[in-house]
This record gives sequence, C-alpha cells and structure tokens, in this order.
Amino acid sequence: EIVLTQSPGTLSLSPGERATLSCRASQSVSSRYLAWYQQKPGQAPRLLIYGASSRATGIPDRFSGSGSGTDFTLTINRLEPEDFAVYYCQQYDSSPRTFGQGTKLEIK
Amino acid sequence: QVQLVQSGAEVKEPGASVKVSCQASGYTFTGYYIHWVRQAPGQGLEWMGWINPNSGDTHFAQKFRGRVTMTRDTSISTAYMVLSRLRSDDTAVYYCARVGSIAADIWGQGTMVTVSS
Repeated sequence: EIVLTQSPGTLSLSPGERATLSCRASQSVSSRYLAWYQQKPGQAPRLLIYGASSRATGIPDRFSGSGSGTDFTLTINRLEPEDFAVYYCQQYDSSPRTFGQGTKLEIK
Repeated sequence: QVQLVQSGAEVKEPGASVKVSCQASGYTFTGYYIHWVRQAPGQGLEWMGWINPNSGDTHFAQKFRGRVTMTRDTSISTAYMVLSRLRSDDTAVYYCARVGSIAADIWGQGTMVTVSS
C-alpha cells in the first residue's frame, strides 16, 4: 500500500499570500495518477488537480500542481478567502487508492 | 447537469447492515467507474472500493473485503454500497464518486451513517 504523507498538517496564511502544500509518497507514483482535492466543512471533496499538474474544469489558474516520483506539491497563488479549506492528495496508481491525511489551510 | 445524488442519512445498530444508493444523471452511467469513499467525523478520507457499472466488476480495499458489497442497476443509473456487520467505528459520511481517466471528478453529497445502540 502506498502511504501518502502531507505536510504541513496546518498552514496559517493571510489572503493574498502563496500556499505551498506537500504530498510525499512511500513509493514512486506515476505522475498521471496523482490528484489533489479541496474540502470545505460539510461539503464533499472537489477535484482540483489530476495527473499531478492538470487543473480540473473550472479551477482557477492560481491553483497549480507539480512533482513526480515520490514528491508532489500543490501551490495556491494569491490566496482568496474561499481557498481556506482542507486539501487532500490521492494516488490512483495502485490499489488501494490511498489519500493523504490532509493539510488544513487556515486564515492567519 | 452531471450529478450524483445519494440516499439519506441512516441510523443503525451494531451488527446490522446499511445500504447506500447513488443515482447518476447527466452522463452515461456505464461509461465511468463509481468509487466509494468514507470519512469518519473529524477525520480524513478513506477509499473503500469501486464498481464498474458496465460489467458489474468490483474491487475493494483489503480492510473491507468480506463486509462490503457493491452493486448497480443500470436501468435506473444507480449504484449501491452495502456494508454489513456494522461497528461503532463505521460511523462516517459515505461518498460515491465518478471516476474516469481524471480521478474523482464528480462526488455525491454524502450519506451520514451512524452506528449506535
């Protein structure tokens, strides 16, 4: 089973700043099969990034993904108030399709 | 529009079974897998397994094998997940999600399952 470790656990930033979220895999993940999701309280997750770096439909270009192998990053430029939420990475390269434990992005 | 609509909240006693439905609309139901993911209160996301609505083939996380069943009814574009021998730690929100080549792009609204005596 591929274990995904996200860091930091909590990130405190102000609107307008840049957020950098990390997702590290216990073994190599094909870049085609790494996704990022955003989840707000009481809501279902929303797909942001798939294939490590492709934005899903309707996702603003301030969201970007990068990385390969075991290290992946989600970057959010110019944080907007609506960006404060929990973010999860997921690998869908192998079964089980594991998620990271999440990074909470909170307003400083 | 493309959406997945899940059945309502359930309260079950330990040892019972629960059946959650997930009705698809706005797209070809048999063209995408349906995955099930759960989230315990205050916790992260846990992947449970998938069903191929076209063939009926299923695949489950090892943790759930023997307790989970996933089926579908293509005539009404609906997928079902049954979890049996419920325990208190099965209390969670259960989500279905559409998965194609670009990960889980459409999610249901979630179904709260509470296991309590």
